[in-house]
Amino acid sequence: AQKITQTQPGMFVQEKEAVTLDCTYDTSDQSYGLFWYKQPSSGEMIFLIYQGSYDEQNATEGRYSLNFQKARKSANLVISASQLGDSAMYFCAMRERETGANNLFFGTGTRLTVIP
Amino acid sequence: DAGITQSPRHKVTETGTPVTLRCHQTENHRYMYWYRQDPGHGLRLIHYSYGVKDTDKGEVSDGYSVSRSKTEDFLLTLESATSSQTSVYFCAISESSTGPGYEQYFGPGTRLTVT
Repeated sequence: AQKITQTQPGMFVQEKEAVTLDCTYDTSDQSYGLFWYKQPSSGEMIFLIYQGSYDEQNATEGRYSLNFQKARKSANLVISASQLGDSAMYFCAMRERETGANNLFFGTGTRLTVIP
Repeated sequence: DAGITQSPRHKVTETGTPVTLRCHQTENHRYMYWYRQDPGHGLRLIHYSYGVKDTDKGEVSDGYSVSRSKTEDFLLTLESATSSQTSVYFCAISESSTGPGYEQYFGPGTRLTVT
């Protein structure tokens, strides 16, 4: 079974609008971490935001926020006030404490295109 | 930006030849990782290291070996390259494996083509 599922291969958003990128995860571990990374066309992987399974508040980093719904096992990324530079691939990832704190499981990604 | 470099950045090699990719970090982070990225699979962990000479296998380790003789360098070797190993390879580092600071930072990637 896939540990991370990103069901949106591609998304479009108007510049200055907000967009939500979906991520669901599958784990039986009680302790885990969720991450979002951005991969622009230049190819590098850029860490955006982290949410721990025991964190009660949703993580925020500037224009990025993580909508964490533990019961639904979802960790959606919200980008507010989209900019042209936000056009990129976005990957959701998870690390589980019990199955290996060093193994980061990635989803297949969502390609976001910001329209001027 | 985390100080991570990878070399070479691009390589074309023939089936059956050995290939070594190098990852170098200037952050003095304990943990280093090698991933491969393929369409439809996201990134998958090949091997990782939790200290000098301490390494372990990841999800897709068959056909790969690694070595870490210094904190700053982590080498990935394909002993006999196959076409299925054509991919983009990323090195990553992290300060810790648990608690604050265990997000992973990635290098620029190496595009390897095996013909």
